[in-house]
Amino acid sequence: DVKVTQSSRYLVKRTGEKVFLECVQDMDHENMFWYRQDPGLGLRLIYFSYDVKMKEKGDIPEGYSVSREKKERFSLILESASTNQTSMYLCASSIRTVSDQPQHFGDGTRLSIL
Amino acid sequence: GQNIDQPTEMTATEGAIVQINCTYQTSGFNGLFWYQQHAGEAPTFLSYNVLDGLEEKGRFSSFLSRSKGYSYLLLKELQMKDSASYLCAVRDMNKAAGNKLTFGGGTRVLVKP
Repeated sequence: DVKVTQSSRYLVKRTGEKVFLECVQDMDHENMFWYRQDPGLGLRLIYFSYDVKMKEKGDIPEGYSVSREKKERFSLILESASTNQTSMYLCASSIRTVSDQPQHFGDGTRLSIL
Repeated sequence: GQNIDQPTEMTATEGAIVQINCTYQTSGFNGLFWYQQHAGEAPTFLSYNVLDGLEEKGRFSSFLSRSKGYSYLLLKELQMKDSASYLCAVRDMNKAAGNKLTFGGGTRVLVKP
């Protein structure tokens, strides 16, 4: 079974702090993704990566950056946290080839910015 | 870009059938996924359609019409544990985007006894 592990289930930080969200997958997947999920808005893609050290902006990258130094790990960074970044953050991974293989999700990190 | 619409909420009775519709307008299409998400949990994969027609998996079926930009997820013999949100997601045509998905807002299904 694919396992996608996010480092924290709940996190509380203060406005202006630099925040790191970590995600690790154990299936040697090339693609990794970061989403945020807000009521009524669904899942929105922040950034994705299709290989080590590669990154692509998603639909809402502003205020975020990412790091992929190793294949299994994909980090989301909030450079200077703001209250509008309070949200549920979900990490996902998948194989690179376009196929019927889905993205597999972690359990999410509920982040509150005070 | 992609625009995906699905109803916000549906209520049904245990043992009944519920159909969740999803319509999409996309600049490209390379497959449609349905996920189930229980409150506070990760989305889990339910079904995949890339060609027109019906895909059946036990109590769950998914249908796709590419010409109409339309899909539905059919849940039969509803059980209380089926109370969850159901997410429709469309994959981009752009090969460079790999398996990039765009999600609808999700449909919350409440199953009542």
